Amino acid sequence: DAGVIQSPRHEVTEMGQEVTLRCKPISGHNSLFWYRQTMMRGLELLIYFNNNVPIDDSGMPEDRFSAKMPNASFSTLKIQPSEPRDSAVYFCASSPGQDTQGGLFFGEGSRLTVL
Amino acid sequence: GENVEQHPSTLSVQEGDSAVIKCTYSDSASNYFPWYKQELGKGPQLIIDIRSNVGEKKDQRIAVTLNKTAKHFSLHITETQPEDSAVYFCAAPNTGRRALTFGSGTRLQVQP
Repeated sequence: DAGVIQSPRHEVTEMGQEVTLRCKPISGHNSLFWYRQTMMRGLELLIYFNNNVPIDDSGMPEDRFSAKMPNASFSTLKIQPSEPRDSAVYFCASSPGQDTQGGLFFGEGSRLTVL
Repeated sequence: GENVEQHPSTLSVQEGDSAVIKCTYSDSASNYFPWYKQELGKGPQLIIDIRSNVGEKKDQRIAVTLNKTAKHFSLHITETQPEDSAVYFCAAPNTGRRALTFGSGTRLQVQP
């Protein structure tokens, strides 16, 4: 079975440019999560969706970040405009249930570098 | 919200020795405690989890113990092998139980 699929795997962009990260969750999973990983702050939850509806976006750093889930098989995380401090690895994860007890299944991540 | 603390940040052991990583959590209502392994360039992968109705769970060379009174849980790896070298994360449900709060990670190095 295919796992969580993220694209692009690597993105290098210049400050001020728009960045769009994409995620395809595992088929049948009801919940989708976006996490950010940095050396300084570890794994931080940005936002999560349940049945395509955003449940909690309190982890989104600021208005430059937005996330959508137009259907059960696709989500995007957009940063506009991007800044050097946004450089990190962004992970998408999905979960089979409405809570965490089914486990979170992570994609391989999108490494973002903003120059 | 939930606060998860993890120790040590780095751990080096000789092949064949045991490794223990410890985590504490703050929310006494938390009821699910997973452990993830992250290899270089990859996403975290669930390796074992425990629910609050049991005190210990084993899966071959790995085990997790839970002390709800003290609000801490530990990962135990026995007979370590070089392929166990990775970063390990503990986690606990955040407020609302719909997502996970992760510890800061432990970099385990198994010396051949």
